[in-house]
Amino acid sequence: DAKTTQPPSMDCAEGRAANLPCNHSTISGNEYVYWYRQIHSQGPQYIIHGLKNNETNEMASLIITEDRKSSTLILPHATLRDTAVYYCIVRGASGTYKYIFGTGTRLKVLA
Amino acid sequence: KAGVTQTPRYLIKTRGQQVTLSCSPISGHRSVSWYQQTPGQGLQFLFEYFSETQRNKGNFPGRFSGRQFSNSRSEMNVSTLELGDSALYLCASSLEAGSGANVLTFGAGSRLTVL
Repeated sequence: DAKTTQPPSMDCAEGRAANLPCNHSTISGNEYVYWYRQIHSQGPQYIIHGLKNNETNEMASLIITEDRKSSTLILPHATLRDTAVYYCIVRGASGTYKYIFGTGTRLKVLA
Repeated sequence: KAGVTQTPRYLIKTRGQQVTLSCSPISGHRSVSWYQQTPGQGLQFLFEYFSETQRNKGNFPGRFSGRQFSNSRSEMNVSTLELGDSALYLCASSLEAGSGANVLTFGAGSRLTVL
């Protein structure tokens, strides 16, 4: 079963920051937080991941709370092309752990 | 470098038939995992192969099987197809260099329709 909880849907105005929350209250010490998105039945696309520290790349920023029980994906300037389903996943570092996707958040960027 | 390639992209089968889907991972990636995506159930994990061995398995009946070859290419097979097997089947590959983060790269999927 998925170990994360996300809101089913969110709207964001184009050009504004999109902040997508994820709850992972049962996360354990060696589990990473990953974010992927899926646009219109294409294969999911990797966005970013983190363990303890906040992370930033060219696509997004990931803010992980100090207790690691929740995180927020930030798309700094959302565009219409960011409309997608966003998945937050936690997975242990060992290859014996399954990669389980939850139901995700459907983000709609509004013009 | 080339991405994850899945073939065929689209196929139509009838109930009772079987189907084989193929996945070529990114060069150097040793792990291949498979997912089934339907509107009602979302993305569900089928199984994962690493170095030709099934390492993890989801909650699917035995009609769903897979294998991985020495070049890391993978196939999955569904026998005795049912209408409910209609779905997008996604393959993902990863480097799996050891402990630490492991990022999946997905293919475009194979869309199976069972009539």
